[in-house]
Amino acid sequence: GAGVSQSPSNKVTEKGKDVELRCDPISGHTALYWYRQSLGQGLEFLIYFQGNSAPDKSGLPSDRFSAERTGGSVSTLTIQRTQQEDSAVYLCASSLQTGGRYEQYFGPGTRLTVT
Amino acid sequence: AQSVTQLDSQVPVFEEAPVELRCNYSSSVSVYLFWYVQYPNQGLQLLLKYLSGSTLVKGINGFEAEFNKSQTSFHLRKPSVHISDTAEYFCAVSEGNAGNMLTFGGGTRLMVKP
Repeated sequence: GAGVSQSPSNKVTEKGKDVELRCDPISGHTALYWYRQSLGQGLEFLIYFQGNSAPDKSGLPSDRFSAERTGGSVSTLTIQRTQQEDSAVYLCASSLQTGGRYEQYFGPGTRLTVT
Repeated sequence: AQSVTQLDSQVPVFEEAPVELRCNYSSSVSVYLFWYVQYPNQGLQLLLKYLSGSTLVKGINGFEAEFNKSQTSFHLRKPSVHISDTAEYFCAVSEGNAGNMLTFGGGTRLMVKP
């Protein structure tokens, strides 16, 4: 079946502009996660959604970052007023349920470059 | 808070040689442990996971890992590597009694040489 998909695969934006990154999880997966992979910080958790519960936003680095998940499926990560330090690969993952034992399936990522 | 340390940022090895990629973690509660592989320009793929039970777990592509609670380690091993194993490997933990966000180590680049 189809895996996790993300769009765009690459995004170049100017400093100060807003960007939206999209994630389509595996059908039927109730949990969705966003991570960031950067040279300086490695792989970092950003936010996760579980069903209709309030998201865990504990990993978001600043209030310029936000995410939503519509209809329990597609998610959008929004970065406002982008800065050069936001340049990274943004990875989305989904799992059948939340709980440490459930495997997370990762998408190919969106490479964001802020110039 | 949990943390993961991968002691080697790069591991060069010749084809058909054995390899061990080291991972140590710290956590005040029980954890689940994972190894992921990332090929160039691709997402992360699960190699294997330890949830409970036998401390020796086997994964895909001939990899295995051993959970050592006393040493808080989860080292990844393969008895004979192939060129195609060249990739970045990430160790990750998730705490058993919390949401399952993953905490990753810094990664180890395995470079298999002919």
